[in-house]
Amino acid sequence: SQQGEEDPQALSIQEGENATMNCSYKTSINNLQWYRQNSGRGLVHLILIRSNEREKHSGRLRVTLDTSKKSSSLLITASRAADTASYFCATVYSGAGSYQLTFGKGTKLSVIP
Amino acid sequence: DVKVTQSSRYLVKRTGEKVFLECVQDMDHENMFWYRQDPGLGLRLIYFSYDVKMKEKGDIPEGYSVSREKKERFSLILESASTNQTSMYLCASSPMGGGYGYTFGSGTRLTVV
Repeated sequence: SQQGEEDPQALSIQEGENATMNCSYKTSINNLQWYRQNSGRGLVHLILIRSNEREKHSGRLRVTLDTSKKSSSLLITASRAADTASYFCATVYSGAGSYQLTFGKGTKLSVIP
Repeated sequence: DVKVTQSSRYLVKRTGEKVFLECVQDMDHENMFWYRQDPGLGLRLIYFSYDVKMKEKGDIPEGYSVSREKKERFSLILESASTNQTSMYLCASSPMGGGYGYTFGSGTRLTVV
């Protein structure tokens, strides 16, 4: 079953602007991950944030996690045309022995040059 | 460069055919996964495996089976292909446990006619 839900479904911004995508989930998690998918290709892992972390940075990416609200956000700063892609959040359920990722439906980001 | 390789990028098969989708990883990962991706439905887990000769059903295993005879190879089998199995199929792998990101293959776009 789908665990995460991204918001918005689609986002269009100008190059140089910041892009923020949100993710909500339903159950307790071990960690939450963000992935990028260029059109028609496989997914690329961007960043992982554990349930005991609140914020994490990687280059132009900033991820926050609020376990009390069961939500996360991905911020891409100073966006570039090459950031155009779909972005997915995925969660690992914290139940014993369960390690598979459950994905949301994604946010489609368009960065206009 | 570590990677997950899916044997075909595009595949066209006839209804009723037995279809094999192959996935090979060179990272010595214990976990391997098969997802299908459909517009509006996101990624859905079909089967996964934590070890050689071991398999677990995901959310949508009906009409599929898997084989993992060697650690590096995880095959998805469509026993009798149907048109509703037309989809993008994505293979992924990860190290043991749930605290790591997945590495995805480039995907196989299967069309059943």
